[in-house]
Amino acid sequence: GQNIDQPTEMTATEGAIVQINCTYQTSGFNGLFWYQQHAGEAPTFLSYNVLDGLEEKGRFSSFLSRSKGYSYLLLKELQMKDSASYLCAALDSNYQLIWGAGTKLIIKP
Amino acid sequence: DAEITQSPRHKITETGRQVTLACHQTWNHNNMFWYRQDLGHGLRLIHYSYGVQDTNKGEVSDGYSVSRSNTEDLPLTLESAASSQTSVYFCASSKGDVGELFFGEGSRLTVL
Repeated sequence: GQNIDQPTEMTATEGAIVQINCTYQTSGFNGLFWYQQHAGEAPTFLSYNVLDGLEEKGRFSSFLSRSKGYSYLLLKELQMKDSASYLCAALDSNYQLIWGAGTKLIIKP
Repeated sequence: DAEITQSPRHKITETGRQVTLACHQTWNHNNMFWYRQDLGHGLRLIHYSYGVQDTNKGEVSDGYSVSRSNTEDLPLTLESAASSQTSVYFCASSKGDVGELFFGEGSRLTVL
C-alpha cells in the first residue's frame, strides 16, 4: 500500500531551528510536496522536490532522498507565526497526491 | 486577483438530506479536486476532474458525486448525507500534472 509517515506533533522554541521528517512509500514517485496549514485555514504550498538534495527558500528548506524514501522540512529562525501544521505529500506514478496526516508544530516563546 | 472560493463555509444538515458544496476558481485551471480532512487523517481525495466533462473517483468517493460543466466550477453533492460525512471539505485546483495545488478556504459540514 501507499503510506506517508510524519510525526504527529513537535514543539520548538522561538528563534531556534526545527526539522520535520517525512517518510513515504508510494507506487512510483513523481515528487514530494510540503504544505503549511494554519489552524482553521486552507493548506498553502511551501515546496516541491523531485531530485535528491536540498532546496532552500528563505527560512524554509526542504530535502529529499529518493533512495531512502525520505524528506525533511527545515525551518530556521522560528517565529510564532510558524505555529501550524505541516503536511507532507508524495506524488505517485498516477500523479495522485498521497498525503500524510500532518505534523502540528508548536512554537514556544 | 485569481482565486478559488467555496460556499457555504459552514453548513449544518440532517441525515438523509442532499447537500451541495460549491467550488469556483478563476485561474482557468484544468485540474480540480475535492478533499475531506478529518483529525488523524491526511487529506483524502473524494473526486477530481482534469477538464470539462471529465470526472474521476478518488479513494473515498462513496456517497459523493461531482459534475464539471465548465472550467470554473466543480460542485460536490452528497446524495443522502450521513453522520460519517461530517468533515471539513477542501476544494483545490492546479495547472498541470505537477503543479502546486491552490486550496479554497474550506467548507465545514456537520450532519446531525
